[in-house]
Amino acid sequence: GAVVSQHPSWVICKSGTSVKIECRSLDFQATTMFWYRQFPKQSLMLMATSNEGSKATYEQGVEKDKFLINHASLTLSTLTVTSAHPEDSSFYICSAKTTTSTDTQYFGPGTRLTVL
Amino acid sequence: GESVGLHLPTLSVQEGDNSIINCAYSNSASDYFIWYKQESGKGPQFIIDIRSNMDKRQGQRVTVLLNKTVKHLSLQIAATQPGDSAVYFCAVKGTGGYNKLIFGAGTRLAVHP
Repeated sequence: GAVVSQHPSWVICKSGTSVKIECRSLDFQATTMFWYRQFPKQSLMLMATSNEGSKATYEQGVEKDKFLINHASLTLSTLTVTSAHPEDSSFYICSAKTTTSTDTQYFGPGTRLTVL
Repeated sequence: GESVGLHLPTLSVQEGDNSIINCAYSNSASDYFIWYKQESGKGPQFIIDIRSNMDKRQGQRVTVLLNKTVKHLSLQIAATQPGDSAVYFCAVKGTGGYNKLIFGAGTRLAVHP
């Protein structure tokens, strides 16, 4: 149980284009999903917290107009990187919190974004 | 702000030995702690968690110890196997809203045959 998927698993795009990453909870409903970014050999950095049906809460220093988050249902959240640049290349990971669990987060497999 | 740190960036052990990975946190009000395992190119995998009303919790081959006095927790892996090679992160639930997790820097565990 508590499986989270991400799509795509990797993506390569040209500078200036936008990329959408999907995060799905497969066997549970998630009222809250989290988006993280991880650079090589570094830890996970929280970008934003996404609550179903409401606006995402962004961490300090994360541009909300560049990283658009939509959490339209209890099983799907999307992250769109707009006007991507090479410095946006990273490993993007989502996690989801079950409605029956107060604290445990289950992570997706991650999406490797490379911006040329 | 809140922070989580690890004592060692890399830990090398022999197969079959026990491994101990340590983590320190800064906020004495933290009440929930998790250990995750991350293999290369994959997302973090939940290993074990513990709440602040406990000092010790055991799972399959893993034990988490929490010392609230010195704000320290550790992950013990018994009979370490090559498949345990990965980066291990401790995470602490933040005291703000939305149950945010604050991750430590990570310790790479290398298991040698």
